[in-house]
Amino acid sequence: EAGVAQSPRYKIIEKRQSVAFWCNPISGHATLYWYQQILGQGPKLLIQFQNNGVVDDSQLPKDRFSAERLKGVDSTLKIQPAKLEDSAVYLCASRSGTGYHEQYFGPGTRLTVT
Amino acid sequence: KQEVTQIPAALSVPEGENLVLNCSFTDSAIYNLQWFRQDPGKGLTSLLLIQSSQREQTSGRLNASLDKSSGRSTLYIAASQPGDSATYLCAGLDTGRRALTFGSGTRLQVQP
Repeated sequence: EAGVAQSPRYKIIEKRQSVAFWCNPISGHATLYWYQQILGQGPKLLIQFQNNGVVDDSQLPKDRFSAERLKGVDSTLKIQPAKLEDSAVYLCASRSGTGYHEQYFGPGTRLTVT
Repeated sequence: KQEVTQIPAALSVPEGENLVLNCSFTDSAIYNLQWFRQDPGKGLTSLLLIQSSQREQTSGRLNASLDKSSGRSTLYIAASQPGDSATYLCAGLDTGRRALTFGSGTRLQVQP
């Protein structure tokens, strides 16, 4: 079974530029998460999707961050415009069903904003 | 709001030593607790998941326990090896949010 795929793995941009990250969850997993992990901290939830609907985006900075999962499969997270404090690893995770099953994480995208 | 704390933040031990990593959480309405390993520049690898109805889980040299009443979980690593060097994260899944709340991790270095 293929794991959670993310691309790109690394990205360096200047502040005020825009960037997009892509995630393809494990096949059949209805729930998809985006987490932000700042260096030295644990991951923090940005947004949770159930199929193509948003379940929780309470911690997503909506003035600059957006995310979509149009067909209920893969997802894109966008930052526009980026700030220095957005430098972090962006992790995508997926989970099967609607219950409390284990989450599986992708390798992450490391973003550096200069 | 759930808060998860991990102590110590960093730990260095000689090879072969048994060790315990600690995790505490503030909200006992936790559905399960998961322990992860993170190698530098890598994603998260799930080690153990303990359901709220369970007290502990074991996998090889790893044993994790969960005490909801005291808001604590521990990860026990037996006979540590240099390959165990990594950051270990615990995360609780709330019954309401269904998203994980993570601690800041414990950076483990096992000296050969």
